[in-house]
Amino acid sequence: EVQLVETGGGLIQSGGSLRLSCAASGFTVSSNYMSWVRQVPGKGLEWVSVIYRGGSTYHADSVKGRFTISRDDSKNTVYLQMNSLRAEDTAVYYCATLYSGNKADAFDMWGQGTMVTVSS
Amino acid sequence: SSELTQDPAVSVALGQTVRITCQGDSLRSYYASWYQQKPGQAPVLVIYGKNTRPSGIPDRFSGSSSGNTASLTITGAQAEDEADYYCNSRDSRGNLHWVFGGGTKLTVL
Repeated sequence: EVQLVETGGGLIQSGGSLRLSCAASGFTVSSNYMSWVRQVPGKGLEWVSVIYRGGSTYHADSVKGRFTISRDDSKNTVYLQMNSLRAEDTAVYYCATLYSGNKADAFDMWGQGTMVTVSS
Repeated sequence: SSELTQDPAVSVALGQTVRITCQGDSLRSYYASWYQQKPGQAPVLVIYGKNTRPSGIPDRFSGSSSGNTASLTITGAQAEDEADYYCNSRDSRGNLHWVFGGGTKLTVL
């Protein structure tokens, strides 16, 4: 079965660090663009980070310098290292595959999400 | 604030047609993708590109684009279509950054 499973969420104090994992099955993460998207409960979606097949990474301005996306091909897993966490980082974090075509991108497969709560 | 603008809420009578719109400068250069999200669930891609539906998405969902506006149309809305809908595209600078619209809550009456 093709799926993404996120783990690693939890309650963390402001200023702390947390690492989220996204384990893929049924396909290879290194052959895909992989991304993280977050959602504050009751609010909209916010793109966070992407890692390209070649390993290039990009992050939203709101997390740049604090969050780092990476992957371990041997474990077929993508990670989001989150440092210097703030209350506004509290959200459900989704892992998603990113299709990139001719002027057409799409987050075409999503995990179930993992909740991160940052207490101030 | 989002670079993609959506109406917060739209309603449609059961079986009727509804259009959900998304406006933004980046839509002049990139197609929007559309996501359906029901309470407590992850988003699901329903339309991307010019007008492509992923496998398993009913053909009552369609997409279109004109100028800086992208639209998601549901022809013959069903009760199960009641959900939040989000549009998405590259940011207006064309960088490798993506933005989502604020979302539209669709109510099927």
